[in-house]
Amino acid sequence: ILNVEQSPQSLHVQEGDSTNFTCSFPSSNFYALHWYRWETAKSPEALFVMTLNGDEKKKGRISATLNTKEGYSYLYIKGSQPEDSATYLCAFHSGTYKYIFGTGTRLKVLA
Amino acid sequence: EAQVTQNPRYLITVTGKKLTVTCSQNMNHEYMSWYRQDPGLGLRQIYYSMNVEVTDKGDVPEGYKVSRKEKRNFPLILESPSPNQTSLYFCASSSYRDGYTFGSGTRLTVV
Repeated sequence: ILNVEQSPQSLHVQEGDSTNFTCSFPSSNFYALHWYRWETAKSPEALFVMTLNGDEKKKGRISATLNTKEGYSYLYIKGSQPEDSATYLCAFHSGTYKYIFGTGTRLKVLA
Repeated sequence: EAQVTQNPRYLITVTGKKLTVTCSQNMNHEYMSWYRQDPGLGLRQIYYSMNVEVTDKGDVPEGYKVSRKEKRNFPLILESPSPNQTSLYFCASSSYRDGYTFGSGTRLTVV
């Protein structure tokens, strides 16, 4: 059974702090790794789709890196703001038509 | 506006009463999928469809049916709902390269 793990499960940071969290996934049969941002009472929204080992992607203050050989991806948020509070999901795609989601990291940014 | 439209948003029903949750996308995506979200378990895939008339089971298909008669529509059917199907459901579509676009979710309660 393929497993995708995210850590930590939740964290609280102060406004202005930088933070990062991890997504671990199987290192074999890799096709893509997705990151999503999920705000309370809304739907998940795609942040990044990463396909190549060593990929780095950036959107504003949020960036992500990918290591397919060891099976992990990091999501970084620089200078966290209260509006960054959300659950961040990663999803592993092995090239079949199935996506496997992690259980997410719940981020709360305190003003 | 590119979107996935999912209805209804909320539904309370009784055990055994057949129901359908509708899902429609306007992005001409070939790939569509249904997920359920339960506390602590993450998003779990119920069924997916690679194209019209092509569907397959995800990880938790028991008790659900789907159909894909047109490219834009992918309804989820519960023939005889049971309380263990109480959950938050999401429909999503994808170009397979860009990540998912999710619907707004359906919160289903089966009593």
